[in-house]
Amino acid sequence: DTAVSQTPKYLVTQMGNDKSIKCEQNLGHDTMYWYKQDSKKFLKIMFSYNNKELIINETVPNRFSPKSPDKAHLNLHINSLELGDSAVYFCASSPTRTGLASETQYFGPGTRLLVL
Amino acid sequence: KNQVEQSPQSLIILEGKNCTLQCNYTVSPFSNLRWYKQDTGRGPVSLTIMTFSENTKSNGRYTATLDADTKQSSLHITASQLSDSASYICVVSARGNNNDMRFGAGTRLTVKP
Repeated sequence: DTAVSQTPKYLVTQMGNDKSIKCEQNLGHDTMYWYKQDSKKFLKIMFSYNNKELIINETVPNRFSPKSPDKAHLNLHINSLELGDSAVYFCASSPTRTGLASETQYFGPGTRLLVL
Repeated sequence: KNQVEQSPQSLIILEGKNCTLQCNYTVSPFSNLRWYKQDTGRGPVSLTIMTFSENTKSNGRYTATLDADTKQSSLHITASQLSDSASYICVVSARGNNNDMRFGAGTRLTVKP
């Protein structure tokens, strides 16, 4: 009965490779997000999708491309991986759009990416 | 400079004791402030959400306060338990089309027996 799930949990790869991280939510939420948590534990939003449409696209390299086949899934594809991409990537979802007082974001368990 | 500053960076307390974590922000215009708990190796879990008009919100042994005038919030943990050991993250949202969220770096709390 996992609410927000991510795969894989760990990802170790070589610089220059292309990789994807998958996210699925079974909460029926309209909005999904990708966050990056760096080594200093800062969480930064990368993308937000509402009903399969991009609504937030923070300043991230265009090597990162989110893909939402339906509102329950938001995958993150990363091209030409760099050392600085090493971080924990969290997927999250919320009922409608974040910022509303009643909105709670539900986070997945994270994907730990290590680029060698 | 980050728009959300948390203190202390880390804190060690004995089981059963109370503690208070601080969050100062400059995010404007203010929409709401959230406190999250993040266990090691897990995703953040929401504890409280407060809007401009709310100055306190409780969730069990967790009580958050908000002073929108001074742009400060605190999270008070009562009768701490070993399971309270985690990072506590303050998140402030700005009003606007994208409801911009700014995350603090967190306070790492360790509760010792």
